[in-house]
Amino acid sequence: SQELEQSPQSLIVQEGKNLTINCTSSKTLYGLYWYKQKYGEGLIFLMMLQKGGEEKSHEKITAKLDEKKQQSSLHITASQPSHAGIYLCGAVIRQLTFGSGTQLTVLP
Amino acid sequence: NAGVTQTPKFQVLKTGQSMTLQCAQDMNHNSMYWYRQDPGMGLRLIYYSASEGTTDKGEVPNGYNVSRLNKREFSLRLESAAPSQTSVYFCASRASGIYNEQFFGPGTRLTVL
Repeated sequence: SQELEQSPQSLIVQEGKNLTINCTSSKTLYGLYWYKQKYGEGLIFLMMLQKGGEEKSHEKITAKLDEKKQQSSLHITASQPSHAGIYLCGAVIRQLTFGSGTQLTVLP
Repeated sequence: NAGVTQTPKFQVLKTGQSMTLQCAQDMNHNSMYWYRQDPGMGLRLIYYSASEGTTDKGEVPNGYNVSRLNKREFSLRLESAAPSQTSVYFCASRASGIYNEQFFGPGTRLTVL
């Protein structure tokens, strides 16, 4: 959806490196979801951010919400091959709308 | 709990054939959704049902119909399949409320020849 833009579209990193994925909305964000998808599988919920400035972490994955910028970032510290997959941000605009995804490859 | 289940997992159709994708959830959720996922396009909403007895169009409804059979089940029908409908289809459900997690089924991979 053009209402939610994700960048980059794809990312290849060496194991152990840090990385950041961004999600920007063209409309006011009332909540921002991050999901992960492995190839050929369904979506796994990572976390949801409700308020501006909110930051949540799950293992080595941290997400922040900047309400003023209508943007969220997902940061992975010391990436591992298990982090590989497609990361999707979603936001409730009318219904839950998703960005186009970021394909992450982690090289051992 | 099985969560959200979808059948079939894979399907190959010829152009013009019809089929119904089935979805069921056992979490007593009010809202159910059908998405399609295409490379580089993310997930696009086809139809959704905010509650039993109601259905609404999403971003890409053309060529599809839906039925909210009861609170548990939400089916997606392709009346006359076209190659442009080759995609992976995901069903999802969510409890009422803007901040509730959306749960996804495993997906149906559909190829239309």
